[in-house]
Amino acid sequence: QKEVEQDPGPLSVPEGAIVSLNCTYSNSAFQYFMWYRQYSRKGPELLMYTYSSGNKEDGRFTAQVDKSSKYISLFIRDSQPSDSATYLCAMRNAGGTSYGKLTFGQGTILTVHP
Amino acid sequence: DAGITQSPRYKITETGRQVTLMCHQTWSHSYMFWYRQDLGHGLRLIYYSAAADITDKGEVPDGYVVSRSKTENFPLTLESATRSQTSVYFCASAGQGGNAGELFFGEGSRLTVL
Repeated sequence: QKEVEQDPGPLSVPEGAIVSLNCTYSNSAFQYFMWYRQYSRKGPELLMYTYSSGNKEDGRFTAQVDKSSKYISLFIRDSQPSDSATYLCAMRNAGGTSYGKLTFGQGTILTVHP
Repeated sequence: DAGITQSPRYKITETGRQVTLMCHQTWSHSYMFWYRQDLGHGLRLIYYSAAADITDKGEVPDGYVVSRSKTENFPLTLESATRSQTSVYFCASAGQGGNAGELFFGEGSRLTVL
């Protein structure tokens, strides 16, 4: 069983829809949770960054972390065709030795059609 | 240009040949990483470096060698390439400021081993 599970999709939605992306994990030591967006033939770029449990909002994007359920989510409101990309969840332990050493989900391919 | 650059972007080689993928960053970040991305596996850590002359293994280090004689460069060498090393390789760096351990990725090196 993978430490981080993410439904690879693909997910296709109409413009303006609310998108929900999810990951589950098994390692209770994970403390930092991230969402990366990756456009085709490009490197991943950080979208959302949260520490421990709770919600974080940035424009149309909301990240939620539920450590008790080992479950994280990314919500995209009013989705746009420019949101079409692969979304990767990632997480790591606390502590300096874990700096940058992320465990990634498989990625979900999202297409937003006009 | 500032940022993180990888070369070559595309490489085709044969089984048994040695291949070196280059990575250069201009931010003076202490930490540098090599990940590989494969369908169904997401990104997996190959090697990382906390500073010049300090390197350590990640999740999938077998068949790879790294060095870091200068802070800005972190080459990855496949000593004797195998077909299972066909993948997209991403170099990343992380600094001490901002989001702790946030990774900044290059655009990737797509390697095919025939």
